[in-house]
Amino acid sequence: EPEVTQTPSHQVTQMGQEVILRCVPISNHLYFYWYRQILGQKVEFLVSFYNNEISEKSEIFDDQFSVERPDGSNFTLKIRSTKLEDSAMYFCASRGPASYNEQFFGPGTRLTVL
Amino acid sequence: GNSVTQMEGPVTLSEEAFLTINCTYTATGYPSLFWYVQYPGEGLQLLLKATKADDKGSNKGFEATYRKETTSFHLEKGSVQVSDSAVYFCALSTPYSGAGSYQLTFGKGTKLSVIP
Repeated sequence: EPEVTQTPSHQVTQMGQEVILRCVPISNHLYFYWYRQILGQKVEFLVSFYNNEISEKSEIFDDQFSVERPDGSNFTLKIRSTKLEDSAMYFCASRGPASYNEQFFGPGTRLTVL
Repeated sequence: GNSVTQMEGPVTLSEEAFLTINCTYTATGYPSLFWYVQYPGEGLQLLLKATKADDKGSNKGFEATYRKETTSFHLEKGSVQVSDSAVYFCALSTPYSGAGSYQLTFGKGTKLSVIP
């Protein structure tokens, strides 16, 4: 069964460093998402991406964040200068053109900023 | 804006007990409603969904009915198993002004532990 994959599973970085989180969505999907979950809190929407551009973003998704689909398979989230409060689990999701309501999630990347 | 409120956990039940996890929502328009489950060490998996009022979503013995009059989507299972131990998230989506983003708004999650 097709699945969304994410790498790495755990990333530890120093405050102020740049990180790139990677996702490989399901191959025929067209809509891509990033969500995050700070420990003990709810899962929050960050950004959606369609047709090589951002279609919607939340207030959390400020200038420190960017997304890119550098090739036909990867979807990345970059944080330019990490802060302590960026420590969270980051989930990638994708959905296809036919199942417009169902998003498929990856296993997540745990980001720890020291 | 959209919001989802679900009962606080953790919930601990004995095997074969009846489960209810309450979920209520606030949304503009007509949302679709979902329950996602997260097993230890894994990502979020869609458990069930309902897209319009009075729809009942069901999967793996779990059920939830979309109640527009009470803005609720409570999750139920008649007889839980140890393998149901996980975190359960209630969520909703509404289309974004024509762009079709369908971003999900989640509740805080409810951790369920089922003991033999």
